[in-house]
Amino acid sequence: SAVISQKPSRDICQRGTSLTIQCQVDSQVTMMFWYRQQPGQSLTLIATANQGSEATYESGFVIDKFPISRPNLTFSTLTVSNMSPEDSSIYLCSVEYGTSYNEQFFGPGTRLTVL
Amino acid sequence: AQKVTQAQTEISVVEKEDVTLDCVYETRDTTYYLFWYKQPPSGELVFLIRRNSFDEQNEISGRYSWNFQKSTSSFNFTITASQVVDSAVYFCALSEAQSDMRFGAGTRLTVKP
Repeated sequence: SAVISQKPSRDICQRGTSLTIQCQVDSQVTMMFWYRQQPGQSLTLIATANQGSEATYESGFVIDKFPISRPNLTFSTLTVSNMSPEDSSIYLCSVEYGTSYNEQFFGPGTRLTVL
Repeated sequence: AQKVTQAQTEISVVEKEDVTLDCVYETRDTTYYLFWYKQPPSGELVFLIRRNSFDEQNEISGRYSWNFQKSTSSFNFTITASQVVDSAVYFCALSEAQSDMRFGAGTRLTVKP
């Protein structure tokens, strides 16, 4: 399996500020995904980030609000911009990895609280 | 469009009882993948199983078993002799080929001692 780490693990931020979340994988992976899990809810895909191309955003998510970088095959960042309390969520990085198609593993998540 | 339904929002059982978590999915693809994840109170997502659409064999892993039935578009998960440590939110998810993963709403399982 792929080992995924995220930084920070949690943060408390003020309204109007931005936070960048880092995702590091111990293996090279082509596809990386960013999910949001609002309190008590299921996971919702924000965007798919492939190295060497622009991230693909799901309906309801835009690049200005959630810019993503994918500089290499083991690293990605998600920025939550101009935060409001509605952005309080767990943000999870996920990668597709393995000899079999669609083995998907998740990072431990970043728990964000916006005051 | 792909869709996953977990009709059971919350389930509560007493330790040692068997419990089945239901998952019904919708897809137009013939090639797809079904998953179950466990999310304990600590928050991390723990991968439990992946099953592709061409493999309808049921799977057993210890106290866990999965029943995949394409005829009813279901991929149900049973925990035998439940334990307190099984208490978590369980998510069923579906991924079509060359596509992202869509999650169900989750079922919160509480196992009481």
